[in-house]
Parts: sequence; structure tokens; C-alpha cells
Amino acid sequence: DSGVTQTPKHLITATGQRVTLRCSPRSGDLSVYWYQQSLDQGLQFLIHYYNGEERAKGNILERFSAQQFPDLHSELNLSSLELGDSALYFCASSSAGHSDEQFFGPGTRLTVL
Amino acid sequence: QQQVKQSPQSLIVQKGGISIINCAYENTAFDYFPWYQQFPGKGPALLIAIRPDVSEKKEGRFTISFNKSAKQFSLHIMDSQPGDSATYFCAASVTGFQKLVFGTGTRLLVSP
Repeated sequence: DSGVTQTPKHLITATGQRVTLRCSPRSGDLSVYWYQQSLDQGLQFLIHYYNGEERAKGNILERFSAQQFPDLHSELNLSSLELGDSALYFCASSSAGHSDEQFFGPGTRLTVL
Repeated sequence: QQQVKQSPQSLIVQKGGISIINCAYENTAFDYFPWYQQFPGKGPALLIAIRPDVSEKKEGRFTISFNKSAKQFSLHIMDSQPGDSATYFCAASVTGFQKLVFGTGTRLLVSP
């Protein structure tokens, strides 16, 4: 157990809908990262927050957004969902502001029908 | 230039054998190279990591070999066990730039 928690574990929704994925980092970690894992794209970095501020963006679609709250938990919002958004979404956390030693949560499996 | 190429895609090793997974990169700015282990239905778990100032790092049965001039690094699993059967990902990052670039993964099966 990495200490990173993610909810929900599974999410099934329809095209065009909006969902919110939640992540709680390890106790004391200030950085939260979001990754998408799909069969065709592999593990792809989406976005990084450090202590409430956005630090870096990867291949994140404009339909996706994230935020980190004062209690350091983070939410990833996915809107106008398409079939191709079906994937595993992982949150990772680290203690520092850079990417060394990232610890991953169990993931949220999103299925868009 | 941001890619990390990983091979093989899949690997079958007998119990007690040595599993070897290779990765290559182009971006010479990469300075942190972790390996992750992922079991079905679980998130990737950090296994071992290395920085370019050393050529080898060993933790238990797991060893990373690093060749800076060739821009390659590899994971060796000694005395492979059925419990090691999982997907292994290499990754790379640049300190100060907050993202891991992952390889495509290697599915390892250790036969009893």
C-alpha cells in the first residue's frame, strides 16, 4: 500500500458526461501528479500540482482540468467524455516539488459507454 | 526525444532464472531513472531507481545497470520467482521538470 488513495475505484458513464476523480496524497506529501494509462498510449503524464499550485502540464486535453485543495487532496475533472477517454487514471504523490520518488495510488478505471 | 524505448514487450523466464529488461533514451537531460512494477488491477509501485552518477545499483534481487554513453539502462531480476510475474515499466525524468516519461512496459511471466 503506497498510502495514496483514489476514489472511486470504478466509474462507468456515458459519452458527453462529466466525472470527477479524487486523490488523497500520502501524509506529508505536497505534490500530486495525474497520469492516464491506456492500452494504446501507455502511461502518460497529465498534470502536476504542488501545494495547491499547478506546476506542469503534459498531454492533458482541454476538456480535462484538475485542482489541488488546501488539505492537499486533488480532483481531476473530465468533461464532454468520449469513448477514447476510457482508461485507468492514476494519481501519484511525492514529498518534494519535483518528480523524484513518485508513489502511485490504486487508480480509477473509467469506462465511457 | 522525450521517448523511452523499452524491450522486450513480453518475457517468459523459468523460476530461478535471470530476467533482463532494457530501456533506451534520447534526452541527455534525463537524470533520474526509476523502475516500476505493476500487478493487474494495481497502481505502479516504485521498485528501484538510479541516477547517472553510478553505473549500477542493487537492492535485493533487483539490479539496475546504467550505461550513460549508450543512453541505456536495464533491470535485472536475479533468481526470478513466480511472484515477480507482473508488468515492469522503466521511466525517466529531469529533476525540476515534474513528469515521468514511461517506457511501454514489459510483461514478465515467471514459470514455476
